[in-house]
Amino acid sequence: QSVLTQPPSASGTPGQRVIISCSGSRSNIGNNYVYWYQQLPGTAPKFLIYRNDQRPSGVPDRFSGSKSGTSASLAISGLRSEDEADYYCAAWDDSLSGVLFGGGTRLTVL
Amino acid sequence: EVQLVESGGGLVQPGGSLRLSCKASGFSFSNYGMGWVRQAPGKGLEYVSAISGNGGSTYYANSVKGRFTISRDNSKNTLYLQMGSLTTEDMAVYYCARDCGGDCSPGFDYWGQGTLVTVSS
Repeated sequence: QSVLTQPPSASGTPGQRVIISCSGSRSNIGNNYVYWYQQLPGTAPKFLIYRNDQRPSGVPDRFSGSKSGTSASLAISGLRSEDEADYYCAAWDDSLSGVLFGGGTRLTVL
Repeated sequence: EVQLVESGGGLVQPGGSLRLSCKASGFSFSNYGMGWVRQAPGKGLEYVSAISGNGGSTYYANSVKGRFTISRDNSKNTLYLQMGSLTTEDMAVYYCARDCGGDCSPGFDYWGQGTLVTVSS
């Protein structure tokens, strides 16, 4: 089944480490790279992680990605108020022959 | 500086058509694949369509196949999305995005600000 599942919400306090999960299947995460995007309120998505764990230039090293089997995770350490946003995972899906996005996780900084 | 500027959104009646444009600047447009990603109000991101740098390869999500056509004019550094037989399910902000290419593909490293398509009678 071509679905990437993320928890709808996550939260943490400033300075904490938060992990957002993304669960898929062999046809997507299992066989392909995972990408992560950050979408601040009212703005376009921003490229956050590519090839599972690579950060584009300009993305702080507080953000890190990992993948194991058919699941992936985005970790945010040293949480800041400006990290409050929606986070989306994405991966190519071999069955769809297209990119699949997760449903998104809304991160709240308490 | 890479810039992507969408235009063409607006109000259209169910069953109607609309053409979106995305003007690119700050990079060699023909060297990059491009795509359209949409976001319905209050919902998540949906990959809609994509096209290779030379326009020879295209992709459509099942939800728009047969109704939408993606194209590009590399001489004008512009990406298009021709949308037809629109329904309320197509109502969304449509983002133009650049495929980062190479080993980075199919990530989208630059995004436009989005253009809103409203389908209503």
